[in-house]
Amino acid sequence: EDQVTQSPEALRLQEGESSSLNCSYTVSGLRGLFWYRQDPGKGPEFLFTLYSAGEEKEKERLKATLTKKESFLHITAPKPEDSATYLCAVQDMKTSYDKVIFGPGTSLSVIP
Amino acid sequence: SQTIHQWPATLVQPVGSPLSLECTVEGTSNPNLYWYRQAAGRGLQLLFYSVGIGQISSEVPQNLSASRPQDRQFILSSKKLLLSDSGFYLCAWRPGVEQYFGPGTRLTVT
Repeated sequence: EDQVTQSPEALRLQEGESSSLNCSYTVSGLRGLFWYRQDPGKGPEFLFTLYSAGEEKEKERLKATLTKKESFLHITAPKPEDSATYLCAVQDMKTSYDKVIFGPGTSLSVIP
Repeated sequence: SQTIHQWPATLVQPVGSPLSLECTVEGTSNPNLYWYRQAAGRGLQLLFYSVGIGQISSEVPQNLSASRPQDRQFILSSKKLLLSDSGFYLCAWRPGVEQYFGPGTRLTVT
């Protein structure tokens, strides 16, 4: 059964203190891994798609990396506006494009 | 550019009352559309998806239903709400591989 777990559940960082969020997944074959950012009371905002091990993508202070079993979202010198819940999701090659499995998310708080 | 709308933004309904949530997409045609529910501390749960008018696939058996009366309109309904139906309901569409979400509807069943 496809599964996605994320750790830690919550993370508090001082402004400028870099860290990483983890997403571990179990699928028969990975079609794609997605990262989203979700602000309280709003819909998730798409950040990245990763397709194969070794792939990396960057956007401002965020960098997403992918291995065969997990993905990391690295946050470099975070600012308070980076505070949000970060969701990871996977799509299995054996299922349709319409089925995406989401993890529970990591709640990030960046303190000024 | 494409835009996805949901309404209402918030809703408080008593147990046993009916429900209708609406989602519309602008700027595209024949999109794949999705309804998700997000409960506190849990991941998004796919409820229904639709690949075209009148075509609905259900992922989770429950007292909810979905309909797609027009190309860019997706409706989530219930005849009688349960307390367990409370949550944050999200509509999404998929232009390629990724899904893009609407602003959501917060439903509280009292």
